[in-house]
Amino acid sequence: ELKVEQNPLFLSMQEGKNYTIYCNYSTTSDRLYWYRQDPGKSLESLFVLLSNGAVKQEGRLMASLDTKARLSTLHITAAVHDLSATYFCADPLIFGQGTELSVKP
Amino acid sequence: NAGVTQTPKFQVLKTGQSMTLQCAQDMNHNSMYWYRQDPGMGLRLIYYSASEGTTDKGEVPNGYNVSRLNKREFSLRLESAAPSQTSVYFCASSPQGRVSTDTQYFGPGTRLTVL
Repeated sequence: ELKVEQNPLFLSMQEGKNYTIYCNYSTTSDRLYWYRQDPGKSLESLFVLLSNGAVKQEGRLMASLDTKARLSTLHITAAVHDLSATYFCADPLIFGQGTELSVKP
Repeated sequence: NAGVTQTPKFQVLKTGQSMTLQCAQDMNHNSMYWYRQDPGMGLRLIYYSASEGTTDKGEVPNGYNVSRLNKREFSLRLESAAPSQTSVYFCASSPQGRVSTDTQYFGPGTRLTVL
């Protein structure tokens, strides 16, 4: 069974701290997608990682892809409250369970 | 551009009733998708249409049918609703098929409750 697994599933952070969300996948995909979902809202695209070693950054978020390890990471730098949301990785049609991030002052 | 639109936004059905969820996109995308989202399970693909005139099953197609009416519209039908189909349904589109380098664009969702 093809799987995409994220961890942690829940993450409570203090503002200003750093943390990483991990996405392991069992498919042979060479690309990985990250999405953000705010409560009660739809999903919006964050990053598209198209090859091994790809790294993308937007503001306090940085995503990377290691296709050999079948691992993608989403690193959060100096978290702020506005980053509170649920983050999904996908490859591209199989989604992880989502990581619910809560950033507290 | 409205992007991806879905109707209705909310729906309550009784077990055994049928209904059709509508989805339309105005971005001239070739591919369209239907997902369901349940707590703790991420999104699961129900059906997708790589291009006009084609449809394929996803991970959880049982109990659903789809129609790619034209390039813009992709509908999802529940013939005999069951409580297990209570979920939030998202439609999405992308410029090309599943091997595309492009990301998906999601609609606002339909929250369906089956009693």
